[in-house]
Amino acid sequence: SQQGEEDPQALSIQEGENATMNCSYKTSINNLQWYRQNSGRGLVHLILIRSNEREKHSGRLRVTLDTSKKSSSLLITASRAADTASYFCATAANFGNEKLTFGTGTRLTIIP
Amino acid sequence: KAGVTQTPRYLIKTRGQQVTLSCSPISGHRSVSWYQQTPGQGLQFLFEYFSETQRNKGNFPGRFSGRQFSNSRSEMNVSTLELGDSALYLCASSPSGPSYNEQFFGPGTRLTVL
Repeated sequence: SQQGEEDPQALSIQEGENATMNCSYKTSINNLQWYRQNSGRGLVHLILIRSNEREKHSGRLRVTLDTSKKSSSLLITASRAADTASYFCATAANFGNEKLTFGTGTRLTIIP
Repeated sequence: KAGVTQTPRYLIKTRGQQVTLSCSPISGHRSVSWYQQTPGQGLQFLFEYFSETQRNKGNFPGRFSGRQFSNSRSEMNVSTLELGDSALYLCASSPSGPSYNEQFFGPGTRLTVL
């Protein structure tokens, strides 16, 4: 079963606008990772944020992590048509328990 | 470096048959994980291997099995296929495992069970 829930399930915005996706999880984590998936293909890693970090940036991406609320958010600024994809958060619980538990995903559509 | 490769990319089987899927990780990566993706259940963890040892296994029946070879290549096997096994099977590799590193995913194997 999924550990995480993502909100919203689907999001449509105009090109150039910012997109924000939220992820909640249930248990303590070692790190949280965000992935993008285009049309049923393989997943592409976006950002990994560790439990002792609160914010991380990569290009147009900004990820925040609030371990007290067990939640994370992914912000994509100045969206482009190529950002259209499904976005998943995934949590790694602890060293030795080597698996990712994925959220339900957010389907993002950028309207040109 | 070459990315993660999976073979075959597409597979059609009938109920009761068995199937073997292969994954070649990025050179130097010792951890290989497998995931099943379906529209109903989403992305579900199957198992993870590191240096030929299974370190973790998801909640799948014993029909699902895997192994890892000394060159880190991995295979997963599904016996006695059921219609519900139709899915995209993804493998991912990393140097040490998901708790340590980002995962690099292959393109997946699309399995259809008729």
